[in-house]
Amino acid sequence: QAVLTQPPSASGTPGQRVTISCSGSRYNIENHIMHWYQQFPGMAPKLLITSNNERPSGVPDRFSASKSGTSASLAISRLQSEDEADYYCASWDNSLSGYMVFGGGTKLTVL
Amino acid sequence: GQLQESGPGLVKPSQTLSLTCSVSGDSISGGMFHWSWIRQQPGKGLEWIGHISDSGRTTYNPSLKSRVTISEDTTNNRFSLSLRSVTAADTAVYYCARQGPGYTGYEVDTWGQGILVIVSA
Repeated sequence: QAVLTQPPSASGTPGQRVTISCSGSRYNIENHIMHWYQQFPGMAPKLLITSNNERPSGVPDRFSASKSGTSASLAISRLQSEDEADYYCASWDNSLSGYMVFGGGTKLTVL
Repeated sequence: GQLQESGPGLVKPSQTLSLTCSVSGDSISGGMFHWSWIRQQPGKGLEWIGHISDSGRTTYNPSLKSRVTISEDTTNNRFSLSLRSVTAADTAVYYCARQGPGYTGYEVDTWGQGILVIVSA
C-alpha cells in the first residue's frame, strides 16, 4: 500500500491536456517539495518535474506541476504518443524517522 | 554522474542480498548528495529502501530497516546494499540512485539502469 495515492490509470488523445493527481498528508506533500518521475517499460525512472515546476534539462514545458495542501498534480498539455508511460509522485515523509515515499504509479495511455 | 549496479541476480531464500553501486563522474564523499537504493517488484511501483549521505549517515525505510544496511566505500567510490533474510517478496529490480539534499526534497536526479534480483531456491 503506497503512502501517496495516485489513480492507477489515465488516458487522453493526442493534443489533449491530462492531469494526474497525487494525494498525501501533512507529513509529506504539504510540507516538502515533491517530485514526479516518468518511467518507460524496461527502463529506469527519470526525474520529470518538481512541485516548484522545475524541470531538468530536456524535459519539455508541456509538463507542469502544482501542489496545494496535501495534494499535488501533474499536468501534461498537448499530449503526444511519446508521453505514454508510468508516472510516479514522490515526497519526503516526516512521519516516523523520515523517509522517502512514492505513489503507486499512474499508467498513462495515449489513445 | 553515472551509476552502475552489480551483484548476483539470484539469491536463495533466507540468505543475504548484496549489491554494489559504482559511481563515476561524482564523489560519494563530496558535495551534498545522498546515495540511495530503490526497488521495484515485478509489475509494481517504486519503493525507497534507504540512503547514505556524503558524511556516511544512513536513513532507512521503516518497513525494511530491521533487515537493511547501506554502506560506503569511499576509496573505490561505491556504495552497497545488504538485505538480510530475503524472501520471494524481495524479488525486484534494484536501482541505485543519487538524491539531492533536503532543500530539494531529496529529489532523485540520477538513476542506475537497475539490476533484477530473483529470490528463489
